[in-house]
Amino acid sequence: KNEVEQSPQNLTAQEGEFITINCSYSVGISALHWLQQHPGGGIVSLFMLSSGKKKHGRLIATINIQEKHSSLHITASHPRDSAVYICEVGNTGNQFYFGTGTSLTVIP
Amino acid sequence: GAGVSQSPRYKVAKRGQDVALRCDPISGHVSLFWYQQALGQGPEFLTYFQNEAQLDKSGLPSDRFFAERPEGSVSTLKIQRTQQEDSAVYLCASSLVGATSGGARHTQYFGPGTRLTVL
Repeated sequence: KNEVEQSPQNLTAQEGEFITINCSYSVGISALHWLQQHPGGGIVSLFMLSSGKKKHGRLIATINIQEKHSSLHITASHPRDSAVYICEVGNTGNQFYFGTGTSLTVIP
Repeated sequence: GAGVSQSPRYKVAKRGQDVALRCDPISGHVSLFWYQQALGQGPEFLTYFQNEAQLDKSGLPSDRFFAERPEGSVSTLKIQRTQQEDSAVYLCASSLVGATSGGARHTQYFGPGTRLTVL
């Protein structure tokens, strides 16, 4: 069962590069969340999207509800962006499904 | 005040032992979720509470898993007769509102997790 698919699974980038992580889902959703998980397990919510686009600093998230697809972009990537990025979708019943995550390493 | 806390942070159990994992959500948060995260995988849903009511336990993998939130705040996930396949990080998350108030559109705040290793 893969309600949420992410790509790529692993990504290595040079500092300063523009990064895109993709998420596709197969279930009806109320909202999509992008999460960041650092080594040691702590998870932080970056964005909640139900439509359109959001921007926070160097991070941009977009969602296309019709195509059931979302992207997370990081501009001017930095080594501190190295983490696992997880796509999470939630439905109206507060059921949540997660992608397996994209492990990002940014090299100085 | 503080964020979501979980205890213990690490637990080593011998196969067959019972374990209890605790979650202290953010005060006033209505929704509380338990997730299981295997190494290299995304979290997988176990169960969901809205206040003290367990509205969804469809993700609990077997009847050895039991969760409660008797007063609508602290929650305990209990695993009886632990097996090696139960080894994982158990994450707790809370959010301000419940499903009937559009819960999926509200931020979930995650605890640091409990890493359970069953030998």
